[in-house]
Amino acid sequence: GNSVTQMEGPVTLSEEAFLTINCTYTATGYPSLFWYVQYPGEGLQLLLKATKADDKGSNKGFEATYRKETTSFHLEKGSVQVSDSAVYFCALTDRGSTLGRLYFGRGTQLTVWP
Amino acid sequence: DTAVSQTPKYLVTQMGNDKSIKCEQNLGHDTMYWYKQDSKKFLKIMFSYNNKELIINETVPNRFSPKSPDKAHLNLHINSLELGDSAVYFCASSQEEGLAGNEQYFGPGTRLTVT
Repeated sequence: GNSVTQMEGPVTLSEEAFLTINCTYTATGYPSLFWYVQYPGEGLQLLLKATKADDKGSNKGFEATYRKETTSFHLEKGSVQVSDSAVYFCALTDRGSTLGRLYFGRGTQLTVWP
Repeated sequence: DTAVSQTPKYLVTQMGNDKSIKCEQNLGHDTMYWYKQDSKKFLKIMFSYNNKELIINETVPNRFSPKSPDKAHLNLHINSLELGDSAVYFCASSQEEGLAGNEQYFGPGTRLTVT
């Protein structure tokens, strides 16, 4: 089946530290991969995505590379800011399925201190 | 302009009551979804509608009944509310069901508290 596993939080960092949030997946078909971010009190919004192997998604200084050989899509940022404090969700849709549904990881809470 | 809106934002009610949450999207999307987020932030899909037709019904108790009067609206009605229904409910929409890579746009959520 389809599933996403991401590192458990919470993750606490100082401002300007390097961030990595690990995400691995299993999929029966040909997944597209996403990172969504949920700021406090808000809904989810797409942070970045990659639709095929070796694609790199990037946005707001965040990056993630679709690694088919390791079935991974780790999120990285070189220098985090206080405003990056949020919950981050790794997710996939499976092109082998016609339902277009998102499979989410459990979310990782990130807190950045000044 | 709000892309996906939900009302109400907060809903506090007693066990046994019936309540509805409304969702509207002004993006012209074909597909709409309801998700439930529990206290540990875990997100689980409940329903998906494509052009007013139910596509996904993810083992949700039949006390939950989605209704889509048109493509732009997907409402969620809950009968006989239980304590375990307390959660944040998110509505979302996307352009075309079944196409991988299409972004889903989420509403701000409705925090339901059942006492």
